[in-house]
Amino acid sequence: GQSLEQPSEVTAVEGAIVQINCTYQTSGFYGLSWYQQHDGGAPTFLSYNGLDGLEETGRFSSFLSRSDSYGYLLLQELQMKDSASYFCAVSHPRSSYKLIFGSGTRLLVRP
Amino acid sequence: DVKVTQSSRYLVKRTGEKVFLECVQDMDHENMFWYRQDPGLGLRLIYFSYDVKMKEKGDIPEGYSVSREKKERFSLILESASTNQTSMYLCASTPGTRTYEQYFGPGTRLTVT
Repeated sequence: GQSLEQPSEVTAVEGAIVQINCTYQTSGFYGLSWYQQHDGGAPTFLSYNGLDGLEETGRFSSFLSRSDSYGYLLLQELQMKDSASYFCAVSHPRSSYKLIFGSGTRLLVRP
Repeated sequence: DVKVTQSSRYLVKRTGEKVFLECVQDMDHENMFWYRQDPGLGLRLIYFSYDVKMKEKGDIPEGYSVSREKKERFSLILESASTNQTSMYLCASTPGTRTYEQYFGPGTRLTVT
């Protein structure tokens, strides 16, 4: 089966750096994705790691270690607008069409 | 710009009613998905479609059916709405190759009373 674990809530200060972790257990693995969702909004795609290492997109970076079944999303220079929920997702072992999402991490950025 | 639209933002229905939720994408994507989102449970896949008239069950298909008669349109049907189907319903689409990059619609918040 598939399961993903991420913290339910994280709080950080504006301008700081925050790391949101995601550990997964899967019988097959095709990559780890990250999505952002503001309250009342739709999830939006942030990044994808198909191979080990760090992917950087502006203030956001995502890291994957397949040997550790672990990834994280790193947000730098936090802004108030980064307050949102962040979901990691892995591809379903029997169908790469399908994503399985974690239950999400709610990030609160304080002034 | 990529666009996925859903027919309603808010919907209130009575128990036992048949409910139709419509989703349209303008990106010529092959794959379309229906999820429901509940607090603390993340997004759970109800059904998906990888081509016109093709569909596959997701993780929680019970009580739902789908229809995809045209490539751009994917409908979710609640045959007989029940209160435990009160939820946020999200539609998404992806191109054939980049299935990890899903584009979501704004969602429909359905309340069944």
